[in-house]
Amino acid sequence: DQQVKQNSPSLSVQEGRISILNCDYTNSMFDYFLWYKKYPAEGPTFLISISSIKDKNEDGRFTVFLNKSAKHLSLHIVPSQPGDSAVYFCAATDSGTYKYIFGTGTRLKVLA
Amino acid sequence: SQTIHQWPATLVQPVGSPLSLECTVEGTSNPNLYWYRQAAGRGLQLLFYSVGIGQISSEVPQNLSASRPQDRQFILSSKKLLLSDSGFYLCAWSVGGGSNQPQHFGDGTRLSIL
Repeated sequence: DQQVKQNSPSLSVQEGRISILNCDYTNSMFDYFLWYKKYPAEGPTFLISISSIKDKNEDGRFTVFLNKSAKHLSLHIVPSQPGDSAVYFCAATDSGTYKYIFGTGTRLKVLA
Repeated sequence: SQTIHQWPATLVQPVGSPLSLECTVEGTSNPNLYWYRQAAGRGLQLLFYSVGIGQISSEVPQNLSASRPQDRQFILSSKKLLLSDSGFYLCAWSVGGGSNQPQHFGDGTRLSIL
């Protein structure tokens, strides 16, 4: 049972434009959500997170939106840069369990 | 600042051989520790997590095991490797006892079983 889903395996965006990566979840107990960026042969790097009490969190070019009623979150990258090309994972946790559940990832390619 | 070390970076092992991957964290006490596996083209699968010394929770039945002999040391082991154990293994930590805290990952071990 895939509790966290990233339905788009890949996405290509022109440099300078907005990248929107999507993630859906099924477990209503999840209360903390995260986005990670991963380059090949490296561990994921934490990007940004959001608590379930918020619907938006911004950090520089990265903004995460949470729609609890739809059980959906998205990551917006504006403007996109070639260095943003990587695999992006969303993750979710029920803070009472210490377990983090990851999606399958979306490969973002930013074209120069 | 906190750092996480994971080794070796790559490992090639024959089927049926034993395995020991080690992970250590510096700069924090009583972290939560995790082992994940990423199979080729797949997401991150949680294998084990630990909230304290000697406390191990297993998520997926398999021929792997984990141990936490010291507060900031987490070891992934197998007595006999299978072909299906190939993958990219990642260790991670998060603040112990805290909620709404991100995980931080090591650089991973690429394990190839021949």
